[in-house]
Amino acid sequence: SQQGEEDPQALSIQEGENATMNCSYKTSINNLQWYRQNSGRGLVHLILIRSNEREKHSGRLRVTLDTSKKSSSLLITASRAADTASYFCATDAVGGGYNKLIFGAGTRLAVHP
Amino acid sequence: DAGVIQSPRHEVTEMGQEVTLRCKPISGHDYLFWYRQTMMRGLELLIYFNNNVPIDDSGMPEDRFSAKMPNASFSTLKIQPSEPRDSAVYFCASSLGPGNQPQHFGDGTRLSIL
Repeated sequence: SQQGEEDPQALSIQEGENATMNCSYKTSINNLQWYRQNSGRGLVHLILIRSNEREKHSGRLRVTLDTSKKSSSLLITASRAADTASYFCATDAVGGGYNKLIFGAGTRLAVHP
Repeated sequence: DAGVIQSPRHEVTEMGQEVTLRCKPISGHDYLFWYRQTMMRGLELLIYFNNNVPIDDSGMPEDRFSAKMPNASFSTLKIQPSEPRDSAVYFCASSLGPGNQPQHFGDGTRLSIL
């Protein structure tokens, strides 16, 4: 069963707007990672946030983690057409066995010029 | 630096044939992962290796699937015999750690079994 579930499943915005994607998970985690996947390509790592961190920034990306609510959000500010992709959260669950990542189903983001 | 390299990028074959997918991880990465991605099931971990040794193969769907890592720079995923339901995109990824490090993905092999 999936550990992380993204919300919304799809998001359509205009260039310059902010995009917010959410991820909820079920069990305690060691860390949570966000990845981007462009059509026909492999996943690209964006950011890793550890369970004792609440917020991280990387360029136009801002990730928050609320372990009490078992949720995370990814904010992309001032979006560009090139941000069009699917975004996945992945969790490294505590006691999940061999510390493997479990990926959610992803959010499809479309940024229109 | 070269990323994770997978071959072939596309494979179309008939049911019952043997399929071999290949992966070259990033040099120095001790962990190698094989994933399968479908619309219905999303991204599933099939198996992963640490220092060329299989650690967790619980995601391998059935005995028709096998994976090997004969050395640190090469891994194969084999399906024999192949079935139409094996059609998917197969990704290889490598990392410096299991779940606590970023994973670097290849661009995948799109497999179609007719």
